[in-house]
Amino acid sequence: DVKVTQSSRYLVKRTGEKVFLECVQDMDHENMFWYRQDPGLGLRLIYFSYDVKMKEKGDIPEGYSVSREKKERFSLILESASTNQTSMYLCASSPLGDQRHEQYFGPGTRLTVT
Amino acid sequence: AQSVAQPEDQVNVAEGNPLTVKCTYSVSGNPYLFWYVQYPNRGLQFLLKYITGDNLVKGSYGFEAEFNKSQTSFHLKKPSALVSDSALYFCAVRDINTGGFKTIFGAGTRLFVKA
Repeated sequence: DVKVTQSSRYLVKRTGEKVFLECVQDMDHENMFWYRQDPGLGLRLIYFSYDVKMKEKGDIPEGYSVSREKKERFSLILESASTNQTSMYLCASSPLGDQRHEQYFGPGTRLTVT
Repeated sequence: AQSVAQPEDQVNVAEGNPLTVKCTYSVSGNPYLFWYVQYPNRGLQFLLKYITGDNLVKGSYGFEAEFNKSQTSFHLKKPSALVSDSALYFCAVRDINTGGFKTIFGAGTRLFVKA
């Protein structure tokens, strides 16, 4: 059974803290994605990566950075958390080169910044 | 630019009745279209997709969707709703002419099925 796991289901952080969200997939997928989900806005792409050490900005990269040191792991970093980054964060993966393929999602991390 | 519209924030239906969740899209080229479902406090799960061929595609849990190129729509349907179908549904589009990495998601439609 394919799996994408995220390090925390719920996280509460203070404004200004550095926050790390971890995502691991066991499907040997090249593509990995970070989205944030907000009511009425759907999913918005923050960053994606199609290979180790490669990253591309999505639609809303400001205030975020990412790291992909190993194929199976994709980390999202909030350098200095702010209250407007309170959201649900979803990680996803898919195989490279097959645009027809659906994405596999992790369970999500609900982050609250106070 | 790619876009996806789900015109209804919420759909209410009685158990046993047919359900439809609407989706329209806009892409410059040919689309790949997807439906995902999200149950409370869970990630998204894939339901079905249209890639090419038959306009009616069947997916998980008895759901199906019809691709209509002239109306640029991809509505999700089920002949007989179950209470357990209550969830948040997302339509998504990928423009195959722009490299295919990027998937655009709609805002989501919440489905309530009443017993």
